[in-house]
Amino acid sequence: DIVMTQTPLSLSVTPGQPASISCRSSQSPLHGDGKTYLHWYLQKPGQSPQLLIYEVSNRFSGVPDRFSGSGSGTDFTLKISRVEAEDVGVYYCMQVSQLPYSFGQGTKLEI
Amino acid sequence: EVQLVESGGGLVKPGGSLRLSCAASGFTFSDTWMSWVRQAPGKGLEWLARIKSKGFGGTTDYAAPVKGRFTISRDDSKTTVFLEVNSLKTEDTAVYYCTAHISGTTFWGQGTLVTVSS
Repeated sequence: DIVMTQTPLSLSVTPGQPASISCRSSQSPLHGDGKTYLHWYLQKPGQSPQLLIYEVSNRFSGVPDRFSGSGSGTDFTLKISRVEAEDVGVYYCMQVSQLPYSFGQGTKLEI
Repeated sequence: EVQLVESGGGLVKPGGSLRLSCAASGFTFSDTWMSWVRQAPGKGLEWLARIKSKGFGGTTDYAAPVKGRFTISRDDSKTTVFLEVNSLKTEDTAVYYCTAHISGTTFWGQGTLVTVSS
């Protein structure tokens, strides 16, 4: 099984400042088709997770360009170039390359 | 627009059963692999089960903790995926989410709450 480990587990950021979240996997989440199905989500209080980044670095439609994803192998990163108040919530990485699908523990971002 | 609407949650006694439903729209359901994920109160996310499209045999897979108790199925004519949950335990209390794996992404519904309590 692929274990996903996020750091830090909590983050307090001043608006306008950058933020970075790391997601490390116990083995590469590389699918047999050659793609890496590593996604990033933001879960706001009382809501379901909303997709930010898919396949490591692709920004989903409508997601502000201050969000970016990068990484390869077993190390992945979500960066927010300038945090805004609406970015508060819990961020999760998720791999759907190999069963069982798995998630990081979540990183709580506060302003 | 992709829409996933879960229903069927509620209060159930330990040992009881429920059938959760997820009505899908906005994409070609019959070609789409679907999963269920849950989130216990104040906790993280846990993948439960996946069903492939009929074109890939409609194969099902389960997380070890729920294998034998939970059953995922689909009705392509109704664009609905189901999760039958049996022999419920208090630790199964959670919001249950339906997810759709589309074009390299994974979309989520709003979830349905299952509370297991005597």
